[in-house]
Amino acid sequence: KAGVTQTPRYLIKTRGQQVTLSCSPISGHRSVSWYQQTPGQGLQFLFEYFSETQRNKGNFPGRFSGRQFSNSRSEMNVSTLELGDSALYLCASSLLTRGEQFFGPGTRLTVL
Amino acid sequence: AQSVTQLDSQVPVFEEAPVELRCNYSSSVSVYLFWYVQYPNQGLQLLLKYLSGSTLVESINGFEAEFNKSQTSFHLRKPSVHISDTAEYFCAVSDIRGSQGNLIFGKGTKLSVKP
Repeated sequence: KAGVTQTPRYLIKTRGQQVTLSCSPISGHRSVSWYQQTPGQGLQFLFEYFSETQRNKGNFPGRFSGRQFSNSRSEMNVSTLELGDSALYLCASSLLTRGEQFFGPGTRLTVL
Repeated sequence: AQSVTQLDSQVPVFEEAPVELRCNYSSSVSVYLFWYVQYPNQGLQLLLKYLSGSTLVESINGFEAEFNKSQTSFHLRKPSVHISDTAEYFCAVSDIRGSQGNLIFGKGTKLSVKP
């Protein structure tokens, strides 16, 4: 069974640009969560989707948004990139919202 | 709101020695507790979890953790570590009333096992 896949694995952008990251959950999983990992702030919850609906949102500015498609694949978008957005963005999927989360390898975003 | 404190940012230890990685949490509601491990350039893997029942939980690779409600702790232990255990370990909690898709993580502890 294939694991959670995230594309791209690495990304370099400049300040002011926008970026879209993609996450394909494990087949059959309907819940997808996103986290940001930085050396300073650690792992922080961004948002959670279940059946195309956002269920929870972390304390991030409105520049961070996401969505989930009918096939459970999810995307997150960051607009007007700032240097501080440089991070590893992790996606996790679970069968249900109360199930064990399986993490993908992450997308490393560098903002120059 | 919940918070998680991992008291040690780095723990160096020699191979075959015992290790304890400490985790304390703060919450006004009941929580589920988790330990995740992250190897270099990889995502997180669930090591073990406490949802209910026995307060001592074990993983398949020799780690164990004990939930102590009075001390609000969930320390991770292994009696004898291997070089391959070198990784970063994260303690996390989630509100039992909500989904487990919203995890609150500690800052992590880097375990370095030396030969």
